[in-house]
Amino acid sequence: AQKVTQAQTEISVVEKEDVTLDCVYETRDTTYYLFWYKQPPSGELVFLIRRNSFDEQNEISGRYSWNFQKSTSSFNFTITASQVVDSAVYFCALSEAGGDSSYKLIFGSGTRLLVRP
Amino acid sequence: DGGITQSPKYLFRKEGQNVTLSCEQNLNHDAMYWYRQDPGQGLRLIYYSQIVNDFQKGDIAEGYSVSREKKESFPLTVTSAQKNPTAFYLCASSLTTGYYEQYFGPGTRLTVT
Repeated sequence: AQKVTQAQTEISVVEKEDVTLDCVYETRDTTYYLFWYKQPPSGELVFLIRRNSFDEQNEISGRYSWNFQKSTSSFNFTITASQVVDSAVYFCALSEAGGDSSYKLIFGSGTRLLVRP
Repeated sequence: DGGITQSPKYLFRKEGQNVTLSCEQNLNHDAMYWYRQDPGQGLRLIYYSQIVNDFQKGDIAEGYSVSREKKESFPLTVTSAQKNPTAFYLCASSLTTGYYEQYFGPGTRLTVT
């Protein structure tokens, strides 16, 4: 069965520290997509990144970077020089193909990041 | 501005009453979804719809019902059969083809007493 594991329930760092959020997934599909979402205290999920299974290049966007490694089934997310505004719950998700050509997202349980001033 | 709207933000109901949560999108997306989130947990899929007048059950559909009469709208009814309806409900939409990311609305926090 498809599964996403975010083992870190909560992380607390001091502002300007680097922090890595771990994501490990399980899938039998050869083609799949991985995602990261941010959920600030307001509650709305904000899309951060999508990565397909054929593209293992790391990606950097400002202070955010993502490390995708198929060999370890991991898709980790690093925030460099963290800021208080980064405090949120972060979710990793995996696409799952349905039998009717639809697809669903399987979410991990989330990691709550607290950045202290 | 394109986006997804959910109303109301907070909703209170008495046990035994049905309640309908609204979700509207103007992103011209074909697919729409309803998720439930409980404190400290991830999102669980209730129902999804790939096209107007068609929808499929997700992982926790019992006690819920939906309709998809218009492309823009995907209301969720929480029925009295749902044993633990108090939760945060999120609606999302996406293109059915392409890159598959889902965009979310602001959510509705339902409290049933």
